[in-house]
Amino acid sequence: EIVLTQSPDTLSLSPGERATLSCRASQSVRSSYLVWYQQKPGQAPRLLMSGASSRATGIPDRFSGSGSGTDFTLTISRLEPEDFAVYYCQQYGISPPWTFGQGTKVEFK
Amino acid sequence: HVQLQESGPGLVKPSQTLSLTCAVSGDSITSGRYYWSWIRQHPGKGLEWIGYIYSSGDTNYNPSLRSRLNISLHTSQNQFSLTLTSVTAADTAMYYCATTTVLAPHYFDRWGQGTLVTVSS
Repeated sequence: EIVLTQSPDTLSLSPGERATLSCRASQSVRSSYLVWYQQKPGQAPRLLMSGASSRATGIPDRFSGSGSGTDFTLTISRLEPEDFAVYYCQQYGISPPWTFGQGTKVEFK
Repeated sequence: HVQLQESGPGLVKPSQTLSLTCAVSGDSITSGRYYWSWIRQHPGKGLEWIGYIYSSGDTNYNPSLRSRLNISLHTSQNQFSLTLTSVTAADTAMYYCATTTVLAPHYFDRWGQGTLVTVSS
């Protein structure tokens, strides 16, 4: 099983600031198979990045992703009030096919 | 677009069986276009993929739950279901049904709103 470790657990920032979230895999992950979701309280996760650097439909361009191998990053260039949420990375592989990181909470400073 | 809606009992007693249903609208569960998955989220925690079923009836389960798990299709009702036996407090979680497409199996693009299951006597 590929284990994903996200850091930091919590990121305290103000609107307008840049957020940098990290996701590290225990084994190499194909870049197109590293995905990011956003989850707000009381809601299901929402797809943000359908590959390490591919924004999902309707996602604003302040969200960007990068990385390869075992190290991946989600960047929010300028935080909007609606961006304060929990972010999960997820990889697609084998047995089990999908595993998630533990999440990074982006909270108001 | 596919829409998903979970249903089931909110409270299950320890050692009993948890049964949940996901109603699908917007496409046929037998279309062959999707993998139909269950995912859970323990309170305040991350996400755990439970298992999936395909339109053929083929299943794939998380090894950590395989011995207690069954996922089935109910084609006449356009639903699929989850059955988890011998539940404990560790099975208390929000349960989501979600889909990946056969053409892009690496991400979940449709989710239900989730149903909270508490295991308690």
